[in-house]
Amino acid sequence: DSGVTQTPKHLITATGQRVTLRCSPRSGDLSVYWYQQSLDQGLQFLIQYYNGEERAKGNILERFSAQQFPDLHSELNLSSLELGDSALYFCASSVNWWGANTGELFFGEGSRLTVL
Amino acid sequence: GIQVEQSPPDLILQEGANSTLRCNFSDSVNNLQWFHQNPWGQLINLFYIPSGTKQNGRLSATTVATERYSLLYISSSQTTDSGVYFCAVRENFVFGPGTRLSVLP
Repeated sequence: DSGVTQTPKHLITATGQRVTLRCSPRSGDLSVYWYQQSLDQGLQFLIQYYNGEERAKGNILERFSAQQFPDLHSELNLSSLELGDSALYFCASSVNWWGANTGELFFGEGSRLTVL
Repeated sequence: GIQVEQSPPDLILQEGANSTLRCNFSDSVNNLQWFHQNPWGQLINLFYIPSGTKQNGRLSATTVATERYSLLYISSSQTTDSGVYFCAVRENFVFGPGTRLSVLP
């Protein structure tokens, strides 16, 4: 158990719909990261927050948005869903933000999204 | 941005064999991690190793930051070692493409 909690574990929805994925980081970690892994693909970095502020943005679509709340949990919102958005979405956390001495990155078990 | 390459892309071993996985990166790094993604999709931390050598049981890793590569050694492989092994350098949040390992009984 990494200490990073993601909900829901599985989600099935239809095209055009909107979903919210939730992540609680490890106790004491201030940084939260979101990654997308499509079938048999690598991990694509989406976005990172540190202590409530956006710190870095990767290949995140405009239909997607995220935020980190004062209690440090984070939500990833996916809207106007398309078939190609079906993927495993991972949240990860670390003590610090990117740069030197960030500490280890710990991943949650992921949220598997299926868009029909 | 930084580029990360891993080799080999695929590896099939008989149980009990040893293997070496390689991760090359195109620029200096302050953070490097190795992960194992098991067949159920879980990402498991193996090593946080920006430099030097670490060992954990049958697994060990070495990073030579000045030469921009890291190696993951798996000895006496077991079927439970199957899955995909990723290295990741975190300055640009970049993961390598992974090495898919299959260990046959």
